[in-house]
Amino acid sequence: AQKITQTQPGMFVQEKEAVTLDCTYDTSDQSYGLFWYKQPSSGEMIFLIYQGSYDEQNATEGRYSLNFQKARKSANLVISASQLGDSAMYFCAMREWKGDNFGNEKLTFGTGTRLTIIP
Amino acid sequence: NAGVMQNPRHLVRRRGQEARLRCSPMKGHSHVYWYRQLPEEGLKFMVYLQKENIIDESGMPKERFSAEFPKEGPSILRIQQVVRGDSAAYFCASSTTVSSPLHFGNGTRLTVT
Repeated sequence: AQKITQTQPGMFVQEKEAVTLDCTYDTSDQSYGLFWYKQPSSGEMIFLIYQGSYDEQNATEGRYSLNFQKARKSANLVISASQLGDSAMYFCAMREWKGDNFGNEKLTFGTGTRLTIIP
Repeated sequence: NAGVMQNPRHLVRRRGQEARLRCSPMKGHSHVYWYRQLPEEGLKFMVYLQKENIIDESGMPKERFSAEFPKEGPSILRIQQVVRGDSAAYFCASSTTVSSPLHFGNGTRLTVT
């Protein structure tokens, strides 16, 4: 089974509108972290936002917020007031904390959503 | 504080040659991860290393691929006898604490001709 599922291969959104990128995850661990990364056409991976499984409040970073619904195992990224520079691939990822090596386990990525902002 | 440094940015190799990809983690980070990204796909985990130790190599192909992170110097991902299917972007990342994200380098784009 896929650990991270991103069901939207591509999205087109009008500039200045808000956009929600979906992400669901699968884990039996109680301790885990969820991450969103942005990959523009230049190819680098840019960290956007992080949500820990024990965090009671949804994470926010500027125009980015993470809609964390633990019972549904979803961690959707919300971008408010979209800009042309937001056009990029967006990847959801999860890190599960296991055993003695707490906190340094690998990230597992979803397949990504290509977001295109229309002027 | 410099970010994760990868070089070269682009690497072209003929089939059968060796490719060596280098990664210097962020200052203070002692955990290094290598990922591979095929065109139009997500990142796939390859290997996780600490200084002088391979912690998890479950994503590494069994043959031709090796990785090291010596006590001194950068981490090296080595691909021997490259084939066209090795053409991809290879990303290195580093991290430190429990809640810190992985910080990625800009990647090395390997093209095998």
